[in-house]
Amino acid sequence: EAQLVESGGGLVKPGESLRLSCAASGFNFVDAWMSWVRQAPGKGLEWVGRIKSKSAGGTVDYAAPVKGRFTISRDDSESTLLLQMNNLRTEDTAVYYCAAERPDFWRWGQGTLVTVSS
Amino acid sequence: DIVMTQSPDSLAVSLGERATINCKSSQSVLSSFNSKNHLAWYQQKPGQPPKLLIYWASTRESGVPDRFSGSGSGTDFTLTISSLQAEDVAVYFCQQCYTTPRTFGQGTKVEIK
Repeated sequence: EAQLVESGGGLVKPGESLRLSCAASGFNFVDAWMSWVRQAPGKGLEWVGRIKSKSAGGTVDYAAPVKGRFTISRDDSESTLLLQMNNLRTEDTAVYYCAAERPDFWRWGQGTLVTVSS
Repeated sequence: DIVMTQSPDSLAVSLGERATINCKSSQSVLSSFNSKNHLAWYQQKPGQPPKLLIYWASTRESGVPDRFSGSGSGTDFTLTISSLQAEDVAVYFCQQCYTTPRTFGQGTKVEIK
């Protein structure tokens, strides 16, 4: 069965960095387009960004609020999606989900909580 | 960016009755490339990640009960739960998968009356 498992969340101070990982299994990760989506406490869903498969060019797109601060990458040899978050702000506090695109988001991970607070 | 607007924000429906959620996009999500509406519906229960219910506006994901159905085209879409069950209490989101940034509706909370 297809599965996504996020890790790396935690409590950081404003301006600090954090790297999230998403381990994929049970499906062809190499050809998958993958997204990060976040959800602030008690709020709705906000798309963070997406990386295409290498065969589709490996292009990365970002949402405006994170562009220039966040970097999405992938390690196809480890079936892992990565999210490097720099210069974190309090408004980045959220549960971060990885999702496999089809282009609908057909599989989601359980999420990892990132809290940015002084 | 395509803005997705759901209505209502919440609704309370009696068990066994119909629940209807609307979603409107600020521009068409109908692709001329594949003639499909790039619109998906998700269900999110407390403490859980979203779960895909409907894609291409009206195609039910495998394993989703047939009381869930989607309809609409272009800019106006509807998710219908034909006979509400207790396990359907959740927040429902629509999403456009037509272009980036991918955008979601604000969510509709469905409760039991």
